[in-house]
Amino acid sequence: GAVVSQHPSWVICKSGTSVKIECRSLDFQATTMFWYRQFPKQSLMLMATSNEGSKATYEQGVEKDKFLINHASLTLSTLTVTSAHPEDSSFYICSAPSGTGRTEAFFGQGTRLTVV
Amino acid sequence: AQSVTQLDSQVPVFEEAPVELRCNYSSSVSVYLFWYVQYPNQGLQLLLKYLSGSTLVKGINGFEAEFNKSQTSFHLRKPSVHISDTAEYFCAVRSTGGYNKLIFGAGTRLAVHP
Repeated sequence: GAVVSQHPSWVICKSGTSVKIECRSLDFQATTMFWYRQFPKQSLMLMATSNEGSKATYEQGVEKDKFLINHASLTLSTLTVTSAHPEDSSFYICSAPSGTGRTEAFFGQGTRLTVV
Repeated sequence: AQSVTQLDSQVPVFEEAPVELRCNYSSSVSVYLFWYVQYPNQGLQLLLKYLSGSTLVKGINGFEAEFNKSQTSFHLRKPSVHISDTAEYFCAVRSTGGYNKLIFGAGTRLAVHP
């Protein structure tokens, strides 16, 4: 199956700094990628849809100025958490549709962000 | 709009016993259905999917699920579980048109005990 690689797997940063998370489709092109956030023992909540060559579409309640998304190529989307605070600590996961008719979503391995 | 309900937040079971994880969905349009498994601090891995055709779908690791349109259910089953099946399981739905987003259930924690 298709492979989505997410980097880094974990990161610790100081409050007030910014952190960039990369999501790459390794063996297929992805014009669309999705970014999710997962709190401990909870389900995945969609944050935004990343669109290659255009602006991301954010879900209601997600601050677009805080969670910057850039989809500069057909294989790379980045999520930058700006001016991070402890409440931004979470598990962030990206996914990209692929397969016949793009019916299946392939997920990255996730990024554990801890803001101290 | 779609929604997914996973009726059990936790399911404890002994090794080699059968298990069923329940999933119900609601949607006003036709949907695709998925089951994913998540191990600690990892992304999601697809277990199986229903797109069309046979309502009984077989997936990886011995799991299977049955799509029941009249009951709007997509329950996941395994006849004999292993310790290694301990993980979080998510049911998800998306509409059949376009690249629409996945809607996830709250998840079911399967705990297999020796």
